[in-house]
Amino acid sequence: DARVTQTPRDKVTEMGQEVTMRCQPILGHNTVFWYRQTMMQGLELLAYFRNRAPLDDSGMPKDRFSAEMPDATLATLKIQPSEPRDSAVYFCASGLVLQGEAFFGQGTRLTVV
Amino acid sequence: AQSVAQPEDQVNVAEGNPLTVKCTYSVSGNPYLFWYVQYPNRGLQFLLKYITGDNLVKGSYGFEAEFNKSQTSFHLKKPSALVSDSALYFCAVRDMYGGATNKLIFGTGTLLAVQP
Repeated sequence: DARVTQTPRDKVTEMGQEVTMRCQPILGHNTVFWYRQTMMQGLELLAYFRNRAPLDDSGMPKDRFSAEMPDATLATLKIQPSEPRDSAVYFCASGLVLQGEAFFGQGTRLTVV
Repeated sequence: AQSVAQPEDQVNVAEGNPLTVKCTYSVSGNPYLFWYVQYPNRGLQFLLKYITGDNLVKGSYGFEAEFNKSQTSFHLKKPSALVSDSALYFCAVRDMYGGATNKLIFGTGTLLAVQP
């Protein structure tokens, strides 16, 4: 049963620390999305990759956030330095561009204290 | 720019009754439309999609959605609600012919509460 895998599932860190979240897309998928979910803002699109190339990261705070796909099996989202307002659930999703839909991982719940 | 609106924060329905969760969209080109469901502490699960063809789309768990181009709507429906359908439902849109950045954009979500 193919699925998107995200690690870690939960992360508690102190303000100012670097946080790295990892995502393993479903094998063969050529699009990857990073979303952030909070009660106040709902689901925000942070970054979008197609064939490992970043197409859109306009939703991402550029000064502290960065997203990369070092290879087809790994996507990373980094926050440096982290702040309490970054506390949220971060989701990765992957899909095939011609099919349209994306399949979500279980998310990483980040708490910055 | 593409966008999707879910006008109801919460929908309440009695078990066994039909349910409708509303969604309207805005895209510059041809839309791909989706519904997802999220249970507590879980990721979003894909329910169904509209790409082209028949305006009534059937999906998982007995859900269906009706695409209405003139009203730019894509409402989610189910003939008979179950208590287990209680969850957060998201509508989403992609502009598949809008150029390179055909992002998947979500609405704000509608909480469906089915009472026994």
